[in-house]
Amino acid sequence: AQTVTQSQPEMSVQEAETVTLSCTYDTSESDYYLFWYKQPPSRQMILVIRQEAYKQQNATENRFSVNFQKAAKSFSLKISDSQLGDAAMYFCSPGGTYKYIFGTGTRLKVLA
Amino acid sequence: NAGVTQTPKFQVLKTGQSMTLQCAQDMNHNSMYWYRQDPGMGLRLIYYSASEGTTDKGEVPNGYNVSRLNKREFSLRLESAAPSQTSVYFCASREGLTEAFFGQGTRLTVV
Repeated sequence: AQTVTQSQPEMSVQEAETVTLSCTYDTSESDYYLFWYKQPPSRQMILVIRQEAYKQQNATENRFSVNFQKAAKSFSLKISDSQLGDAAMYFCSPGGTYKYIFGTGTRLKVLA
Repeated sequence: NAGVTQTPKFQVLKTGQSMTLQCAQDMNHNSMYWYRQDPGMGLRLIYYSASEGTTDKGEVPNGYNVSRLNKREFSLRLESAAPSQTSVYFCASREGLTEAFFGQGTRLTVV
Protein backbone atom coordinates (compact mmCIF):
# COMPACT_ATOMS: atom_id res chain seq x y z
CA ALA A 1 0.00 0.00 0.00
CA GLN A 2 1.05 3.58 -0.57
CA THR A 3 0.15 6.72 1.30
CA VAL A 4 1.35 10.29 0.94
CA THR A 5 0.82 13.16 3.37
CA GLN A 6 1.44 16.82 2.70
CA SER A 7 0.50 18.51 5.94
CA GLN A 8 0.82 22.13 4.76
CA PRO A 9 -2.17 23.11 2.60
CA GLU A 10 -0.70 26.56 2.02
CA MET A 11 2.64 28.29 2.53
CA SER A 12 3.84 31.83 1.92
CA VAL A 13 7.37 33.06 1.29
CA GLN A 14 8.89 36.44 0.58
CA GLU A 15 10.60 36.84 -2.75
CA ALA A 16 14.30 35.86 -2.51
CA GLU A 17 13.73 33.94 0.74
CA THR A 18 13.83 30.18 1.33
CA VAL A 19 10.88 27.92 1.98
CA THR A 20 10.56 24.21 2.77
CA LEU A 21 7.59 22.08 1.82
CA SER A 22 7.13 18.83 3.71
CA CYS A 23 6.03 15.40 2.57
CA THR A 24 5.83 12.05 4.33
CA TYR A 25 4.99 8.79 2.65
CA ASP A 26 4.65 5.09 3.11
CA THR A 27 5.15 2.40 0.53
CA SER A 28 5.41 -1.38 0.49
CA GLU A 29 7.64 -1.33 -2.58
CA SER A 30 11.36 -1.84 -2.18
CA ASP A 31 12.26 0.02 -5.38
CA TYR A 32 10.91 3.49 -5.85
CA TYR A 33 11.78 7.05 -6.73
CA LEU A 34 10.35 10.19 -5.18
CA PHE A 35 9.14 13.19 -7.09
CA TRP A 36 8.07 16.76 -6.59
CA TYR A 37 5.82 18.30 -9.22
CA LYS A 38 4.71 21.87 -9.69
CA GLN A 39 1.29 22.80 -11.05
CA PRO A 40 0.86 26.46 -12.04
CA PRO A 41 -2.55 27.95 -12.85
CA SER A 42 -2.25 26.52 -16.37
CA ARG A 43 -2.80 23.09 -14.73
CA GLN A 44 0.21 21.64 -16.51
CA MET A 45 2.12 19.19 -14.28
CA ILE A 46 5.83 20.03 -14.31
CA LEU A 47 8.54 17.85 -12.78
CA VAL A 48 10.61 19.84 -10.29
CA ILE A 49 13.00 17.26 -8.91
CA ARG A 50 13.51 13.52 -8.63
CA GLN A 51 15.22 11.43 -5.94
CA GLU A 52 16.20 7.80 -6.35
CA ALA A 53 15.35 6.11 -3.05
CA TYR A 54 18.47 3.93 -3.16
CA LYS A 55 20.71 7.01 -3.23
CA GLN A 56 21.74 8.57 0.05
CA GLN A 57 22.81 11.83 -1.54
CA ASN A 58 20.05 14.40 -1.68
CA ALA A 59 19.07 15.59 -5.14
CA THR A 60 19.51 19.20 -6.18
CA GLU A 61 18.30 21.06 -9.25
CA ASN A 62 19.40 24.68 -9.35
CA ARG A 63 17.38 26.46 -6.61
CA PHE A 64 15.51 23.30 -5.66
CA SER A 65 16.83 20.64 -3.31
CA VAL A 66 15.40 17.82 -1.25
CA ASN A 67 15.99 16.50 2.23
CA PHE A 68 15.37 12.78 1.92
CA GLN A 69 15.19 10.80 5.16
CA LYS A 70 14.49 7.22 4.08
CA ALA A 71 14.09 5.70 7.54
CA ALA A 72 11.62 8.42 8.53
CA LYS A 73 9.95 8.24 5.09
CA SER A 74 10.24 11.97 4.75
CA PHE A 75 10.91 13.89 1.54
CA SER A 76 10.90 17.66 1.86
CA LEU A 77 11.48 20.23 -0.89
CA LYS A 78 13.55 23.34 -0.27
CA ILE A 79 13.21 26.28 -2.62
CA SER A 80 15.98 28.85 -2.29
CA ASP A 81 15.90 32.43 -3.59
CA SER A 82 12.16 32.15 -4.21
CA GLN A 83 10.83 33.84 -7.33
CA LEU A 84 7.37 35.03 -8.27
CA GLY A 85 7.25 32.28 -10.89
CA ASP A 86 7.53 29.66 -8.15
CA ALA A 87 3.96 30.39 -7.05
CA ALA A 88 2.00 27.19 -7.75
CA MET A 89 0.61 24.01 -6.25
CA TYR A 90 3.31 21.51 -5.34
CA PHE A 91 2.69 17.78 -5.18
CA CYS A 92 4.97 15.03 -3.91
CA SER A 93 4.81 11.43 -5.03
CA PRO A 94 6.51 8.14 -4.14
CA GLY A 95 6.68 6.55 -7.55
CA GLY A 96 6.72 2.78 -7.24
CA THR A 97 6.68 0.22 -10.01
CA TYR A 98 2.92 0.16 -10.35
CA LYS A 99 0.76 2.63 -8.43
CA TYR A 100 1.69 6.28 -8.71
CA ILE A 101 -0.13 8.41 -6.18
CA PHE A 102 0.15 12.01 -5.03
CA GLY A 103 -0.30 14.02 -1.89
CA THR A 104 -3.06 16.61 -1.53
CA GLY A 105 -0.64 19.37 -2.44
CA THR A 106 0.75 22.58 -0.94
CA ARG A 107 -0.20 25.91 -2.43
CA LEU A 108 2.86 28.18 -2.42
CA LYS A 109 2.37 31.93 -2.49
CA VAL A 110 5.34 34.16 -3.22
CA LEU A 111 5.08 37.69 -1.83
CA ALA A 112 6.79 40.56 -3.64
CA ASN B 1 6.63 16.06 -29.80
CA ALA B 2 3.04 15.27 -28.78
CA GLY B 3 3.74 13.37 -25.51
CA VAL B 4 0.37 12.58 -23.87
CA THR B 5 -2.76 13.75 -25.66
CA GLN B 6 -6.19 13.84 -24.04
CA THR B 7 -9.49 14.45 -25.73
CA PRO B 8 -11.71 16.32 -25.22
CA LYS B 9 -10.39 19.34 -23.31
CA PHE B 10 -13.82 20.36 -22.03
CA GLN B 11 -17.12 18.51 -21.73
CA VAL B 12 -20.51 19.16 -20.20
CA LEU B 13 -22.74 16.16 -19.54
CA LYS B 14 -26.21 15.73 -18.16
CA THR B 15 -26.70 13.41 -15.23
CA GLY B 16 -27.05 9.84 -16.48
CA GLN B 17 -25.27 10.38 -19.78
CA SER B 18 -22.23 8.33 -20.69
CA MET B 19 -18.95 9.36 -22.25
CA THR B 20 -15.40 8.18 -22.87
CA LEU B 21 -12.27 10.21 -22.26
CA GLN B 22 -9.49 9.31 -24.63
CA CYS B 23 -5.77 9.29 -23.90
CA ALA B 24 -2.87 8.47 -26.19
CA GLN B 25 0.89 8.59 -25.65
CA ASP B 26 3.66 8.40 -28.22
CA MET B 27 6.58 7.68 -25.89
CA ASN B 28 6.27 3.87 -25.92
CA HIS B 29 5.59 3.83 -22.17
CA ASN B 30 4.28 0.70 -20.54
CA SER B 31 2.37 2.32 -17.66
CA MET B 32 -0.61 4.61 -18.00
CA TYR B 33 -2.81 6.30 -15.39
CA TRP B 34 -6.07 8.17 -14.96
CA TYR B 35 -6.50 10.75 -12.18
CA ARG B 36 -9.13 13.17 -11.08
CA GLN B 37 -8.31 16.49 -9.44
CA ASP B 38 -10.73 18.24 -7.13
CA PRO B 39 -10.05 21.36 -5.02
CA GLY B 40 -8.21 20.45 -1.83
CA MET B 41 -7.98 16.77 -2.79
CA GLY B 42 -4.89 16.72 -4.96
CA LEU B 43 -4.68 14.13 -7.73
CA ARG B 44 -6.48 10.91 -6.91
CA LEU B 45 -5.74 7.76 -8.88
CA ILE B 46 -8.80 6.25 -10.57
CA TYR B 47 -7.30 3.35 -12.54
CA TYR B 48 -3.92 2.43 -13.87
CA SER B 49 -2.45 0.03 -16.39
CA ALA B 50 1.02 -1.30 -15.68
CA SER B 51 1.30 -2.79 -19.15
CA GLU B 52 -0.74 -3.50 -22.25
CA GLY B 53 -3.55 -5.90 -21.40
CA THR B 54 -3.66 -5.18 -17.67
CA THR B 55 -5.69 -2.71 -15.63
CA ASP B 56 -6.04 -2.19 -11.88
CA LYS B 57 -8.14 -0.10 -9.55
CA GLY B 58 -6.67 2.94 -7.93
CA GLU B 59 -7.92 4.99 -5.00
CA VAL B 60 -11.31 6.07 -6.39
CA PRO B 61 -12.48 3.61 -9.09
CA ASN B 62 -16.25 3.58 -8.39
CA GLY B 63 -18.34 4.85 -11.30
CA TYR B 64 -15.57 4.42 -13.86
CA ASN B 65 -14.31 1.79 -16.28
CA VAL B 66 -11.13 1.73 -18.32
CA SER B 67 -9.76 0.04 -21.42
CA ARG B 68 -6.14 -0.34 -22.39
CA LEU B 69 -6.80 -0.56 -26.09
CA ASN B 70 -3.14 -1.03 -27.03
CA LYS B 71 0.20 0.19 -25.75
CA ARG B 72 -0.53 3.77 -26.86
CA GLU B 73 -4.13 4.25 -25.75
CA PHE B 74 -5.91 4.15 -22.40
CA SER B 75 -9.53 5.28 -22.22
CA LEU B 76 -11.74 6.16 -19.25
CA ARG B 77 -15.48 5.61 -19.44
CA LEU B 78 -18.26 7.08 -17.35
CA GLU B 79 -21.30 4.84 -17.87
CA SER B 80 -23.83 7.02 -16.04
CA ALA B 81 -22.41 10.39 -15.14
CA ALA B 82 -23.20 11.92 -11.75
CA PRO B 83 -22.62 15.49 -10.48
CA SER B 84 -20.01 14.05 -8.06
CA GLN B 85 -17.91 13.21 -11.12
CA THR B 86 -17.50 16.87 -11.99
CA SER B 87 -13.74 17.28 -11.92
CA VAL B 88 -10.58 17.79 -13.94
CA TYR B 89 -9.27 14.51 -15.31
CA PHE B 90 -5.64 13.85 -16.11
CA CYS B 91 -4.05 11.02 -18.02
CA ALA B 92 -0.38 10.21 -17.50
CA SER B 93 2.20 7.72 -18.71
CA ARG B 94 5.59 6.60 -17.49
CA GLU B 95 8.20 3.94 -18.02
CA GLY B 96 9.57 1.96 -15.09
CA LEU B 97 10.35 4.14 -12.10
CA THR B 98 10.83 7.35 -14.05
CA GLU B 99 8.69 10.43 -13.80
CA ALA B 100 5.21 10.57 -15.26
CA PHE B 101 4.27 12.68 -18.25
CA PHE B 102 0.84 14.26 -18.12
CA GLY B 103 -1.79 15.28 -20.59
CA GLN B 104 -3.25 18.78 -20.49
CA GLY B 105 -6.36 17.68 -18.60
CA THR B 106 -10.09 17.44 -19.34
CA ARG B 107 -12.51 19.66 -17.47
CA LEU B 108 -15.75 17.71 -17.06
CA THR B 109 -18.94 19.22 -15.71
CA VAL B 110 -21.96 17.05 -14.94
CA VAL B 111 -25.19 19.00 -14.53
